[in-house]
Amino acid sequence: QKEVEQDPGPLSVPEGAIVSLNCTYSNSAFQYFMWYRQYSRKGPELLMYTYSSGNKEDGRFTAQVDKSSKYISLFIRDSQPSDSATYLCAMRYTGNQFYFGTGTSLTVIP
Amino acid sequence: GAVVSQHPSWVICKSGTSVKIECRSLDFQATTMFWYRQFPKQSLMLMATSNEGSKATYEQGVEKDKFLINHASLTLSTLTVTSAHPEDSSFYICSASPSTATEQFFGPGTRLTVL
Repeated sequence: QKEVEQDPGPLSVPEGAIVSLNCTYSNSAFQYFMWYRQYSRKGPELLMYTYSSGNKEDGRFTAQVDKSSKYISLFIRDSQPSDSATYLCAMRYTGNQFYFGTGTSLTVIP
Repeated sequence: GAVVSQHPSWVICKSGTSVKIECRSLDFQATTMFWYRQFPKQSLMLMATSNEGSKATYEQGVEKDKFLINHASLTLSTLTVTSAHPEDSSFYICSASPSTATEQFFGPGTRLTVL
């Protein structure tokens, strides 16, 4: 079993839709959770960072962490064509190593 | 803040030659830097982790004599692909982590094509 599971998609939604991206994980020791956005042929860009359980909102983006279910989500409201990218979840516990999901490819259709 | 640069952004080389890729943290000190490889439409594959002034820790299956990593300062790490072959063609991405934060900040990546 992989440490982090993420549905690769692809996911296609109309402009203005609410997008829900999810990851599950197996290691209950994970404490730090991140979402990255990666455009084609570019490096990943940090979108959201959360510590432990709870919600965090930043503009149109909301990150949720449910440690009891080992489940994290990223919601994008009022999705725009410019949101079309691959979204990677990542997590870590103490120490340096990060664990990444495989990424979900999102296309927002105008 | 938290900008990481990579140079070059794209390199084409002949088989058998060596290529050096630089990764710099521009506005913070990076105690730890990471090197990843990414194939088209696939996720990041961690190659190695390096701490400033120490030898890099390589992931299983990554040849340390082929992929030489040097983290000589708190703002610079280099990856040298030695005796490159076509199968080494890939997208190489570095990231850096400040000592006071838990995030990784990624560079823009370097596309290596070996002919």
